[in-house]
Amino acid sequence: GEDVEQSLFLSVREGDSSVINCTYTDSSSTYLYWYKQEPGAGLQLLTYIFSNMDMKQDQRLTVLLNKKDKHLSLRIADTQTGDSAIYFCAGQKGYQKVTFGTGTKLQVIP
Amino acid sequence: EPEVTQTPSHQVTQMGQEVILRCVPISNHLYFYWYRQILGQKVEFLVSFYNNEISEKSEIFDDQFSVERPDGSNFTLKIRSTKLEDSAMYFCASREDRVNEQFFGPGTRLTVL
Repeated sequence: GEDVEQSLFLSVREGDSSVINCTYTDSSSTYLYWYKQEPGAGLQLLTYIFSNMDMKQDQRLTVLLNKKDKHLSLRIADTQTGDSAIYFCAGQKGYQKVTFGTGTKLQVIP
Repeated sequence: EPEVTQTPSHQVTQMGQEVILRCVPISNHLYFYWYRQILGQKVEFLVSFYNNEISEKSEIFDDQFSVERPDGSNFTLKIRSTKLEDSAMYFCASREDRVNEQFFGPGTRLTVL
């Protein structure tokens, strides 16, 4: 089955850019997602990218997809303290279940 | 904006007891899911449900688990005899037909003592 891996922790200063990385194993994933989870809260879909795209930009968020290396990244420009959370990369094949990564805890230092 | 709701937000139970976690999916959605997240770990798929049947389940979803859509609005996850290792956050999700995005509820934190 799909395996999705992320680094566990990232610390950045407020105003800097954050880049959260993810690798996945199943090249047939058709949708790749980034979810945000704040402490004690549910899963908020931030953005997604289709597997036939290389990049997607949505305001402060930029998603890059390297299909050859099965690598997905999320860049957050001008990171704010409110961006502190756990970020999950996830993959989905067609309409099937969503497979989540291990999560990256982003700490923003004021 | 329509959203998935879950009750209760926190459930505490004794080992061996039965629990029922409740979800109200978005009203026009036809596909329903349960996921769980053990503290500090990744979110794991449990089961998917469509047309009153389980369409897929994971290895975690053993005979102690069952799902039901008892009426037109609720979707429930029952754990028959809870174990300590069932302590986790349980997320319900739903989606429309022919749309990939699954909408997640806020979760129910289950604590088994």
